[in-house]
Amino acid sequence: GAGVSQSPRYKVAKRGQDVALRCDPISGHVSLFWYQQALGQGPEFLTYFQNEAQLDKSGLPSDRFFAERPEGSVSTLKIQRTQQEDSAVYLCASSPGRLEQYFGPGTRLTVT
Amino acid sequence: EDQVTQSPEALRLQEGESSSLNCSYTVSGLRGLFWYRQDPGKGPEFLFTLYSAGEEKEKERLKATLTKKESFLHITAPKPEDSATYLCAAEHTDKLIFGTGTRLQVFP
Repeated sequence: GAGVSQSPRYKVAKRGQDVALRCDPISGHVSLFWYQQALGQGPEFLTYFQNEAQLDKSGLPSDRFFAERPEGSVSTLKIQRTQQEDSAVYLCASSPGRLEQYFGPGTRLTVT
Repeated sequence: EDQVTQSPEALRLQEGESSSLNCSYTVSGLRGLFWYRQDPGKGPEFLFTLYSAGEEKEKERLKATLTKKESFLHITAPKPEDSATYLCAAEHTDKLIFGTGTRLQVFP
């Protein structure tokens, strides 16, 4: 079946612009996670949903970052007033429960 | 502080030269230890989950083992297509804490 998909795959934003990154999880997966991966580093946790409920947002670096999953399926990560330090790959993962997480290909965000 | 450390940072092997990658962790209440493979420009690809000390899992040329403080990923007779970054992650309160990875290059 289809895996986790993310769009866009690449995004270039000028500093100060708002961006929205989309994640389509594997059908039926209850849990959805967002991670941020800087070049040469491992992914770092941002936030976690179980169905439509955001259970943990402790990894969001600032109040410019906002995530939602209104119907318990597709999720959007929004970054307001982007800064250069926001440049990274944003990874989405889904899980059928508290088990293995399956990752999408990521969105590479470059802020100029 | 919960932490996952991987070594070495980079590893170059000749085709057929077996080796091991190390992942040490200090995570309270560990519920699972995960290994992922990541190719350039792609998301991490799930390989293994280990839940308790002494557990071992195998897949083709890869074998993962777990002790109370570390995990090893053993690569037997690697091939060039095994070249990738291998990431280790510990599960803590549902989220994964990743190490920085080991970049493996296998030369023919």
